[in-house]
Amino acid sequence: GAGVSQTPSNKVTEKGKYVELRCDPISGHTALYWYRQSLGQGPEFLIYFQGTGAADDSGLPNDRFFAVRPEGSVSTLKIQRTERGDSAVYLCASSSGLAGDVQFFGPGTRLTVL
Amino acid sequence: GDSVTQMEGPVTLSEEAFLTINCTYTATGYPSLFWYVQYPGEGLQLLLKATKADDKGSNKGFEATYRKETTSFHLEKGSVQVSDSAVYFCALSGSTGANSKLTFGKGITLSVRP
Repeated sequence: GAGVSQTPSNKVTEKGKYVELRCDPISGHTALYWYRQSLGQGPEFLIYFQGTGAADDSGLPNDRFFAVRPEGSVSTLKIQRTERGDSAVYLCASSSGLAGDVQFFGPGTRLTVL
Repeated sequence: GDSVTQMEGPVTLSEEAFLTINCTYTATGYPSLFWYVQYPGEGLQLLLKATKADDKGSNKGFEATYRKETTSFHLEKGSVQVSDSAVYFCALSGSTGANSKLTFGKGITLSVRP
């Protein structure tokens, strides 16, 4: 594929609702990462997939956050019972999976929880 | 754990001025180091990288040298242009095993005046 794509680009929801954010990585990239970027901060790691499995989910803030990558390509980040503090830009990145390899980022999904 | 510290911003320079953006890191093992840039309205993109001590990364007139003795990766450019106005993030990865998750600094906003 041309690059990492993310949908939707913007999502506005109400407190307590459930949301799903989608990431389509570069074709052939086995590694996929989710990050969260709050205003004025650098991106913070959430979860890392190598293939279909979550190799490191240590960055997920609590059990309201969950992500899947069932076929080793597209990934979905799921947030239950959203809170206002979840408002941020959610970034997805993919890479070849080799240590230190370059990660290519998508444009992000801006989530606003009212 | 791993951490990245960037100098406080924002930074405003006149065109053709010399630029230095400081970055220091804390990590176990031997991380790879990166500078990412976010231009207005665009996603994060890699500017340059260095994977081992004394390596120099360079791109678009920007340079940064991996200094293990001072745990630093300062970004420099001899003559900035208005088009360099952006947010710059220092990051590291790969300090432990094959997980290449990125740890970012807070970022610094650079504005270049004509």
